[in-house]
Amino acid sequence: DAGVIQSPRHEVTEMGQEVTLRCKPISGHDYLFWYRQTMMRGLELLIYFNNNVPIDDSGMPEDRFSAKMPNASFSTLKIQPSEPRDSAVYFCASSSDRVDTQYFGPGTRLTVL
Amino acid sequence: KQEVTQIPAALSVPEGENLVLNCSFTDSAIYNLQWFRQDPGKGLTSLLLIQSSQREQTSGRLNASLDKSSGRSTLYIAASQPGDSATYLCAVRGGDSNYQLIWGAGTKLIIKP
Repeated sequence: DAGVIQSPRHEVTEMGQEVTLRCKPISGHDYLFWYRQTMMRGLELLIYFNNNVPIDDSGMPEDRFSAKMPNASFSTLKIQPSEPRDSAVYFCASSSDRVDTQYFGPGTRLTVL
Repeated sequence: KQEVTQIPAALSVPEGENLVLNCSFTDSAIYNLQWFRQDPGKGLTSLLLIQSSQREQTSGRLNASLDKSSGRSTLYIAASQPGDSATYLCAVRGGDSNYQLIWGAGTKLIIKP
């Protein structure tokens, strides 16, 4: 398996623009997680899905953030409108079980100017 | 509320030395504990996972120990190599129904040739 795939790897946008991050989990994994990593706050769980259904979105910072998982092989994290404070590295991870090892993608480095 | 602390934040040692990275947590009611490695510009890679009933896990030159009663885990790296240079993160999984991972801020390790 190719592992967790994320795109784009880097995104630079201007404040107010819509940003869409994409993730393809490892085939057969039922859980998908979206994280955000910053120097100030470290790794934060934003939302996770089980069998394509959002289970816990309590980490989503505000209504500007939304995530979807239309099928078992694809998920998106959307920020609309984006703000400079959204600048961070966004990771997607997947696992076969809720308590099993999570496998991380390479991340998307987002810069909002 | 579970808190995970990793001290020191950074560590630099000569190649060949054995070293220990520390992780402490405030709530001993955990499900498991994981050590991850993060290379610059890349995602996280799971190194070792210790279940709450276990005392240690080994993989090659790595050995992780867990002492729940004292709220501590250590990651021992034997015969360090320049390729071990990375940031090492500890993550504790809660024992409640949420099973959420709580992350430490990481220790940045530099192995000098």
